Amino acid sequence: EVQLLESGGGLVQPGGSLRLSCAASGFTFSGYSMSWVRQAPGKGLDWVSVIDHSGADTYYADSVKGRFTVSRDNSKNTLFLQLNSLRAEDTAVYYCAKDEVVPGTPGIWGQGTLVTVSS
Amino acid sequence: DIVMTQSPLSLPVTLGQPASISCRSSQSLVHSDGNTYLNWFQQRPGQSPRRLIYKVSNRDSGVPDRFSGSGSGTDFTLKISRVEAEDVGIYYCMQGTDWPRTFGQGTRVDIK
Repeated sequence: EVQLLESGGGLVQPGGSLRLSCAASGFTFSGYSMSWVRQAPGKGLDWVSVIDHSGADTYYADSVKGRFTVSRDNSKNTLFLQLNSLRAEDTAVYYCAKDEVVPGTPGIWGQGTLVTVSS
Repeated sequence: DIVMTQSPLSLPVTLGQPASISCRSSQSLVHSDGNTYLNWFQQRPGQSPRRLIYKVSNRDSGVPDRFSGSGSGTDFTLKISRVEAEDVGIYYCMQGTDWPRTFGQGTRVDIK
């Protein structure tokens, strides 16, 4: 069974940083691209980033480009999202997802981790 | 960026009756490889999203056959043939053809 377990969320001040992790199990992690999608409280889904299976290729939403960095450690079956220069509008539940069919298209989602940016 | 527009944004339905959600894209979702990467997701209250449909009309594993997707180019539809209580939630379309990926605003389905 595919499992994705996010961690690392919490309360951070504007301008601060946070590193999210997503531990994957139940599939060959190194064989799939992985995505991050976020959802602000009471709002819709907002695609954030994708990383290809090897970690060589990445894409970002314009709203996070230059501030967020996606990476992965295939030896540890773990996906990361480094969040820098955080703003109040980055407050959201962050989901990691296993892409299926085409990169950047989430097939299986984790349970999410909440990031709150507030002073 | 491709803008995805859903309608209606709220859909009260009667149990056992059909329901239909429209999704329109600001440009064609036909990829250069010939595929159309239009997806539908369901998010039940308090849960993570779940993909229902990929490439316009393909149901994901475990998705009941009362859910169906159709459409082409820029106009797409998700249909529920007979709504059940467990179908309450928010439904999103998402395009996987161009970067960045983009979602529709969501359609809230609830029971009358």
